[in-house]
Amino acid sequence: EVRLVESGGDLVQPGRSLKLSCLASGFTFSNYGMHWIRQAPGKGLEWIASITNGGTYTYYADILKGRFTISRDNARNTLYLEMTSLRSEDTALYYCAREYYELSYYFDYWGQGVMVTVSS
Amino acid sequence: EIVLTQSPTTMAASPGDKVTLTCRASSSVKYMYWFQQKSGTSPRLWIYDTSKLASGVPNRFSGSGSGTSYSLTISSLETEDTAAYYCQQGRTYPPTFGGGTKLELK
Repeated sequence: EVRLVESGGDLVQPGRSLKLSCLASGFTFSNYGMHWIRQAPGKGLEWIASITNGGTYTYYADILKGRFTISRDNARNTLYLEMTSLRSEDTALYYCAREYYELSYYFDYWGQGVMVTVSS
Repeated sequence: EIVLTQSPTTMAASPGDKVTLTCRASSSVKYMYWFQQKSGTSPRLWIYDTSKLASGVPNRFSGSGSGTSYSLTISSLETEDTAAYYCQQGRTYPPTFGGGTKLELK
């Protein structure tokens, strides 16, 4: 059974940093690209970052302006998202999701999400 | 960036109704993907490659479309179908989502 379990969410002050983790199981982690997608309270889904299966290439949403870094440790089956200079607008539920690519990219499995609240 | 516009934003329908949700793309995407999200849960892949049902999805659901216009149809609405539905394109980076349609019972 594919499982993605996020952790590391917290209430943090504006300007601080936070690192999220996503532990994968039930599949060969190193074979899949992985993504972070967030959802602000009461809002829709917003893609924010992705990393290729070997970790060589990373992609980010333009709105992040270099504040977030996605990484992975294939030996630990873990995906990370390091977030710096956090702002109130970063408050959201953060999901990790597995990428499936055949005809196009899409997300076939999602974690349960982890809440990040940025507030003073 | 390809922008996806879903309509309607909110919809109320009665059990047994035929329901159609639409998703329009700002450029051709070739394939569309749909996710169902029930309150308090993670999104779940619902329809892939425009018209294929994900595992466990009832066959009252169907997907269709091409180019820039896509739809998700429920042939006969059941109470368990109340949820938000999001479309997503993966033809070009960045992958983008529509704003969602919230489907409620009348």
